[in-house]
Amino acid sequence: EVQLVESGGGRVKPGESLRLSCKASGFTFNTYTMSWVRQAPGRGLEWVASISTSMSYIYYANSMKGRFAISRDNARNSLYLEINSLRAEDTSVYYCARVGQHPGIAVAGMDVWGQGTTVTVSS
Amino acid sequence: SYVLAQSPSMSVAPGRTARITCGGDDIGYKKVHWYQQKPGQAPMLVLYDDSDRPSGIPERFSGSKSETTATLTITRVEAGDEADYYCQVWHSLTDHVVFGGGTKLTVL
Repeated sequence: EVQLVESGGGRVKPGESLRLSCKASGFTFNTYTMSWVRQAPGRGLEWVASISTSMSYIYYANSMKGRFAISRDNARNSLYLEINSLRAEDTSVYYCARVGQHPGIAVAGMDVWGQGTTVTVSS
Repeated sequence: SYVLAQSPSMSVAPGRTARITCGGDDIGYKKVHWYQQKPGQAPMLVLYDDSDRPSGIPERFSGSKSETTATLTITRVEAGDEADYYCQVWHSLTDHVVFGGGTKLTVL
């Protein structure tokens, strides 16, 4: 079964850091671009970042540059998102998603999603 | 930055047709993808590349596009179609994934 399982979320204080993980199974992880998407409570989907198969291409939403770092370990079939200097506005459910295969790095739709991991930033 | 415009909400009676639109500059030149998200669940891809359906998505879901607007059409709407729907493109000029703001579909 094709599956993505996120972990690492929790309640943290402003200014702290967090590393989210996404474990992939059921498909050849190293042949897919992967993305992180977040959703604040009651809000829409917001793209965070995408990373190509060999990490040659990494893209961030403008508002995420500087404090967010996406990475992957193909040997471990895992995707990561490190978030530094957390703010209240980072409170969201963070989803990892598989990008469908296409010659363009992130052109295709996101065809597999995890269940999400919740990050709450509060003092 | 590139913007995809969606109406925040719409309602439709069961058995009728829902048309959810997504507007954006030159969207006709981009591949548009559509996601369905039910409360408490992760999003699910329902259409990709403007009008292709992933395995398991009913034929009642279809897509079309003009130069400025993409449309997700759901025929014979069912209660189970009640959800938020998001359009999405890849904006190559900025190397950004862009989501529309979402449309909440209510089945009356």
